[in-house]
Amino acid sequence: SQQGEEDPQALSIQEGENATMNCSYKTSINNLQWYRQNSGRGLVHLILIRSNEREKHSGRLRVTLDTSKKSSSLLITASRAADTASYFCATDANSGYALNFGKGTSLLVTP
Amino acid sequence: GAGVSQSPRYKVAKRGQDVALRCDPISGHVSLFWYQQALGQGPEFLTYFQNEAQLDKSGLPSDRFFAERPEGSVSTLKIQRTQQEDSAVYLCASSLELPYEQYFGPGTRLTVT
Repeated sequence: SQQGEEDPQALSIQEGENATMNCSYKTSINNLQWYRQNSGRGLVHLILIRSNEREKHSGRLRVTLDTSKKSSSLLITASRAADTASYFCATDANSGYALNFGKGTSLLVTP
Repeated sequence: GAGVSQSPRYKVAKRGQDVALRCDPISGHVSLFWYQQALGQGPEFLTYFQNEAQLDKSGLPSDRFFAERPEGSVSTLKIQRTQQEDSAVYLCASSLELPYEQYFGPGTRLTVT
């Protein structure tokens, strides 16, 4: 069963704009991870945020985590066409090792 | 160094055939995972190995699915008597230690006709 749910399901923006994706989950977690998937490169790990962290940055990525609301957001700033991909959040709820993925957000960045 | 590799990248099987999917994890990674990803969905957990020990196989959909990692490195996912509902991308991931990030291979796309 899917633990995380991403929102929106699809997002279309122009190059240079920011993209924000949200993720909600149901049970307690140790950490939450964001992955990107495109047809050329498979699933690529973007960032991991632990349950005791509230915000984390990596390059043009900013992730927030609100454990009280069981939600996370991924912000991609100054988007590029190469950011076009599906983005998934994944939690380690239940087992502490197996990742539970949502259905993903499909991001299209047009030149 | 090299990432996680999987072979074959594509496999077409006739219903009822057996298939074997291979995963080469990153050298030294203790943990190995298999996931199944249906079209338009996120990956779903199948099974987990720590070295050669299969610690969790709760996600395997039926007893037709079998995974092994006999020497604690390469792993094989075997599906017996394939059915059309087995059509999916099978992803392998490895991790140096938990609960850090998992590194995924490119996947094997299995199509059962």
